[in-house]
Order: sequence, then structure tokens, then C-alpha cells
Amino acid sequence: DGGITQSPKYLFRKEGQNVTLSCEQNLNHDAMYWYRQDPGQGLRLIYYSQIVNDFQKGDIAEGYSVSREKKESFPLTVTSAQKNPTAFYLCASSMIQGYYNEQFFGPGTRLTVL
Amino acid sequence: AQSVTQLDSQVPVFEEAPVELRCNYSSSVSVYLFWYVQYPNQGLQLLLKYLSGSTLVKGINGFEAEFNKSQTSFHLRKPSVHISDTAEYFCAVTPVDSSYKLIFGSGTRLLVRP
Repeated sequence: DGGITQSPKYLFRKEGQNVTLSCEQNLNHDAMYWYRQDPGQGLRLIYYSQIVNDFQKGDIAEGYSVSREKKESFPLTVTSAQKNPTAFYLCASSMIQGYYNEQFFGPGTRLTVL
Repeated sequence: AQSVTQLDSQVPVFEEAPVELRCNYSSSVSVYLFWYVQYPNQGLQLLLKYLSGSTLVKGINGFEAEFNKSQTSFHLRKPSVHISDTAEYFCAVTPVDSSYKLIFGSGTRLLVRP
């Protein structure tokens, strides 16, 4: 079945550590996205990538980094510079063609800083 | 810039009763509009979307929404809810000239009681 997988489902981090969240898609989508979800705030865009080896900052990129070495993979690193990383992280992907491209979401990773 | 307002953070309703979840948006350009549903600790699933044409759109699970351009609203409705509809619902918009950028409301938790 085609879809988006995120791992791990739950992640615990000590303060000062970097952690990497995995996102893989087998939908052959060109674009991939990372969102952060906090209670009562909806989703906010961290980074997005429309093509391999290229990505752009979203609204809240500080303290995060990404790479796009393969079309199907878009890992997100939460660095120690991110002051409040505890949140639910969602990865999404979409085609880039035509005038509208539906974003499909993965199941999410819940990150907790201890 | 665009913004989305979901005034109701939680809507309690009895099973088999009708429900309306409100969404208002602000934008200086034309937008596409969406409703997503999120079950606990899961990703987002698209319920329905308005791109153009008829202002009344029907989605999955018996939901529908009406686009009102003059009131900049896109309220979600269901004539009879089930316990299984208990979830978080997000309204989102994207500018028609840059459909990578989804702007989300803060979400409305629908709580269906027996």
C-alpha cells in the first residue's frame, strides 16, 4: 500500500540532545513537508521541499534542520537550539502539478523532552 | 497573508444530533479551502475541499461544508453525528497561486456523547 511512514511513533529526548525524526513516502510525490502541532495552535510549517537537494524554511524553522537526499525521504533534526521541542510532528507529501496538490499526512511522531 | 479562525475550541453534542463547526478566514487573494479530521495520536485525513464551482461541497463520512465568499466562511456540517465522529477538526486554506502553503486554524474538538 502506498503511504507515508514516520518513525518512531514516540521519542524522548534529554535537554541538549539532537534527535532525528524519520519520514518516508512511497507515493512518488515530489514535495514533502514538516509540520509541528501544539495543543490549541493547529499545525505550523517547519520546512518544505519541492525537489531533491532543495528545501525552504517555513514559518518556524529556527532550531530545526532537514535534508532531502532522496525523493522518498525527508528527515527532520530537532537540534538543541530548539527551546521548546515537545510537540507532535507531522510529515506530509504532495505532487506538484496542475493548480492544486493535495497534501497527504503521515501518522506523526510525538517528541517529549525530559 | 492568510489566517484561519475556528472560534470553538470544543463542541459537545449528543449522538444523532446535527452539528456545525465554524470556520472563518482572512485573505487578500483567492484561496482554496479544506477541512481535515484528526483522530487521537494520528495524522490528518482530508474530509472535503473547495476549489471552485458549487459552494456546497460534500465529503467523506457524511460531512458537508458551504463556502460563503461574502462572509469569508467555510462552516462544516453533519445532520446526524455518531460516537465515531469524536475527533479534532481543522479548517485550512491555501492561496491559489502557492498551493504548497497550508494555513491551519487552531482546531475544534468534536465530542459526541451517547
